[in-house]
Amino acid sequence: NAGVMQNPRHLVRRRGQEARLRCSPVKGHSHVYWYRQLPEEGLKFMVYLQKENIIDESGMPKERFSAEFPKEGPSILRIQQVVRGDSAAYFCASSPGTGLGNQPQHFGDGTRLSIL
Amino acid sequence: DAKTTQPPSMDCAEGRAANLPCNHSTISGNEYVYWYRQIHSQGPQYIIHGLKNNETNEMASLIITEDRKSSTLILPHATLRDTAVYYCIVNRGFTDSWGKLQFGAGTQVVVTP
Repeated sequence: NAGVMQNPRHLVRRRGQEARLRCSPVKGHSHVYWYRQLPEEGLKFMVYLQKENIIDESGMPKERFSAEFPKEGPSILRIQQVVRGDSAAYFCASSPGTGLGNQPQHFGDGTRLSIL
Repeated sequence: DAKTTQPPSMDCAEGRAANLPCNHSTISGNEYVYWYRQIHSQGPQYIIHGLKNNETNEMASLIITEDRKSSTLILPHATLRDTAVYYCIVNRGFTDSWGKLQFGAGTQVVVTP
């Protein structure tokens, strides 16, 4: 999974705290995607962003979750007031911009979020 | 995006070829077939993709039937490190609003010595 960097690799939070997950895409990629994998479940799409724009957030929970991909810096997935059910592995992927539509998404190794 | 059907599990002997089938009978003309795998606790790893023609890279070969309703991923010489869940995904490609990959349950491949 060379190229997509996620940090931290492991994050422990207590209920009610905020969690911030960071993702630096492959150099030159302008599209970022976030996925969540709950324990013993499959990967589920959360949100798709291009620089400074949210393209598709159909998989995002309606409350407490937000994502951004600023002009400068990494993409951030933010979870406010975390609950035990937020414990999961969160994966980020990136792909090149428009015009290279069949190019695959490349994934990072994820952030494992544990809520105490 | 079209749905895919894969067997839940398969075993393969080390050193032998592993042939992983995938059915995508509702695939449309502009949809690609992508294969990823996920080794335990790691992020999904891209393997290969194709549209109509068979494809080969350093990891695997992808055979797509002429009617495009099914495909087979071939790992030519399976090693223990190929033990993983393999996902077959059909997608129109990652432009504009076609961003999401829809992961199913995949095929759990276990390579045995």
